[in-house]
Amino acid sequence: KQEVTQIPAALSVPEGENLVLNCSFTDSAIYNLQWFRQDPGKGLTSLLLIQSSQREQTSGRLNASLDKSSGRSTLYIAASQPGDSATYLCAVISGGSYIPTFGRGTSLIVHP
Amino acid sequence: KAGVTQTPRYLIKTRGQQVTLSCSPISGHRSVSWYQQTPGQGLQFLFEYFSETQRNKGNFPGRFSGRQFSNSRSEMNVSTLELGDSALYLCASSQDRVKETQYFGPGTRLLVL
Repeated sequence: KQEVTQIPAALSVPEGENLVLNCSFTDSAIYNLQWFRQDPGKGLTSLLLIQSSQREQTSGRLNASLDKSSGRSTLYIAASQPGDSATYLCAVISGGSYIPTFGRGTSLIVHP
Repeated sequence: KAGVTQTPRYLIKTRGQQVTLSCSPISGHRSVSWYQQTPGQGLQFLFEYFSETQRNKGNFPGRFSGRQFSNSRSEMNVSTLELGDSALYLCASSQDRVKETQYFGPGTRLLVL
C-alpha cells in the first residue's frame, strides 16, 4: 500500500525566504506526482504535475523535482510571499491501480 | 471558462439519512473524481467516473456510490449516514485524471449529527 509523507507538517517563515517542502513515498512504481495548494476551507489548486519519466517541472517561482528511486519529491519556492501562505499537498498516482494517494500536507505561513 | 461547481456548499444531516451531492465539471472534461477530506484521515480518493463509467474506486464501503450523466455532471450518494462521514467532499474534473491536471471544486461540507 502506497504511503505518502510530507515534512515538515508546518512552517512559518519571513517574507523573501527560499523554501523547500518535502514529500516521500514508499512505492516507487508511480505514474506521476502532483503538487497542490489548498487555501483554508477551499478546494485544491494544481501547482505542478511531474510524470514518472521526468525529473523536474518549473512554474514561475516554483520548482518541483522527482527522484523515483529514492521515493522523494521536493517543492522549491523561491522568494516566498505572504500570498504563498496555504497548505501544500503532494499526491502520487500509483502505477497499475492509478489510485491517488495524498500526503497530509505542509501548512505554510509567510509573514510580512 | 467556468470552473468546477459543487452543490450544495454546506449540508447538515442526521445519522441514518442519505445525502446526494452534485458536481458540474469544466466544459469538455469527461473525468470526474470524488474525494473525502477529514482532519483524521486527510484527503482520500473515493472514485472516478469517465464517460459515465466508474473507472477507479478507492477503499470506501458500498454506502458511497456515484454516477455520471451524459453531460459529464456527476452525483455522489451516501446512504445510512454515520457520524464519521462528516467531511469536506471535493470533486475534481480533468480531460484525463491520470495524465492531466485535475481542477477541483470548492467542496461540499457535510456535517452529520
